Amino acid sequence: EVQLLESGGGLVQPGGSLRLSCAASGFTFRNYPMSWVRQAPGKGLEWVSVINDNGENTYYADSAKGRFTVSRDNSKNTLFLQMNSLRAEDTAVYYCATYYWTSGSSRFFDYWGQGTLVTVSS
Amino acid sequence: DIQLTQSPSFLSASVGDRVTITCRASQGISSYLVWYQQKPGKAPKLLIYGASTLQSGVPSRFSGSGSGTEFTLTISSLQPEDFATYYCQQLNSYPITFGQGTRLEIK
Repeated sequence: EVQLLESGGGLVQPGGSLRLSCAASGFTFRNYPMSWVRQAPGKGLEWVSVINDNGENTYYADSAKGRFTVSRDNSKNTLFLQMNSLRAEDTAVYYCATYYWTSGSSRFFDYWGQGTLVTVSS
Repeated sequence: DIQLTQSPSFLSASVGDRVTITCRASQGISSYLVWYQQKPGKAPKLLIYGASTLQSGVPSRFSGSGSGTEFTLTISSLQPEDFATYYCQQLNSYPITFGQGTRLEIK
């Protein structure tokens, strides 16, 4: 059974940093690109970042560029999101998700974690 | 960036109704369109990918169609468990984007 377990969320002051983790199990982690998606309270889904299977290629939403860094440790089946210079508008539940990618149109985020809440407030 | 606009944003319907949600892309995205269902406090659930391919385990009352810039999600006969928020997503190019969501509520 595929499991994704996020951790590392919490309350942080504006300008602070947090590192989120996503522990994966039940599938061959090193073979899958992974993504972070967030959802502000009462709002819709917002894509944050993607990292390819070997970690060499990363992509970010404009809202995350220059402040967030996605990485992975395939030896530990873990995905990370380092978030710096946090702002109130970064307050959200952060989900990690597996990214099933093909060169064709069969691309989707198939498995999702339960999410971890990040609250940026003084 | 490719913008996705869903309509309607809110939909009130009854059990047994047929409902259709539309997702329009600001530029062509071929068939790189995905639909998700999300219930309160839960992670999104994959319903349809490639605009029209039903994910394994998803009931056949869900269907998707379209290509290019206009896409639809249809639920042929609403069941009580279908009342949720639905999102479209484009995976044609970065940045990946989602529609704003359609909240489907019981009439």
